[in-house]
Amino acid sequence: DAKTTQPPSMDCAEGRAANLPCNHSTISGNEYVYWYRQIHSQGPQYIIHGLKNNETNEMASLIITEDRKSSTLILPHATLRDTAVYYCIVRVDTNAGKSTFGDGTTLTVKP
Amino acid sequence: DAGVTQSPTHLIKTRGQQVTLRCSPKSGHDTVCWYQQALGQGPQFIFQYYEEEERQRGNFPDRFSGHQFPNYSSELNVNALLLGDSALYLCASSLSLRATNEQFFGPGTRLTVL
Repeated sequence: DAKTTQPPSMDCAEGRAANLPCNHSTISGNEYVYWYRQIHSQGPQYIIHGLKNNETNEMASLIITEDRKSSTLILPHATLRDTAVYYCIVRVDTNAGKSTFGDGTTLTVKP
Repeated sequence: DAGVTQSPTHLIKTRGQQVTLRCSPKSGHDTVCWYQQALGQGPQFIFQYYEEEERQRGNFPDRFSGHQFPNYSSELNVNALLLGDSALYLCASSLSLRATNEQFFGPGTRLTVL
């Protein structure tokens, strides 16, 4: 699986959009980009995933660059409850579950 | 609809002992993965079970073994515990082996080895 690079930490003001970047420059054509978050002392929670098109669900939006070498997770209106560690991972279609997690980005939403 | 459940929540063992952790997947899911998460680090893949067989394995020694039962629940066994085995052990379930399916994680079992 391709390696991902994320900034170790970010701050965001409550009510503003949080934009979390992820670099995956070695991604292969059959690898999906997944985002999870982990709130303190809980298991990771699935947020969103995509292959090459931008995706949106009730939690967030995922923007993948045209060359697929990077992506951005957007939380449109961050709340204090969005404070968590956010993980960006890439996964081959036939490799379900064998997710390689890096150290993620710790997002702190401030009032 | 119950999500992924794990037991016990916390566990304290001493070096050299053996431990068994349990996981029940989300209803309808048939694939279970186990992860180890050391403090301050991301989860590390241990192994994956599907149709009662170990399908993929991460870089973990043979002291780590598992089992999946016909009802899709799973156990993680760790023998000859080391201090370095202290971690949060996470179970995750999904439907089939296809990556496009969401993977749901349980709350984890916190193992402390003294």
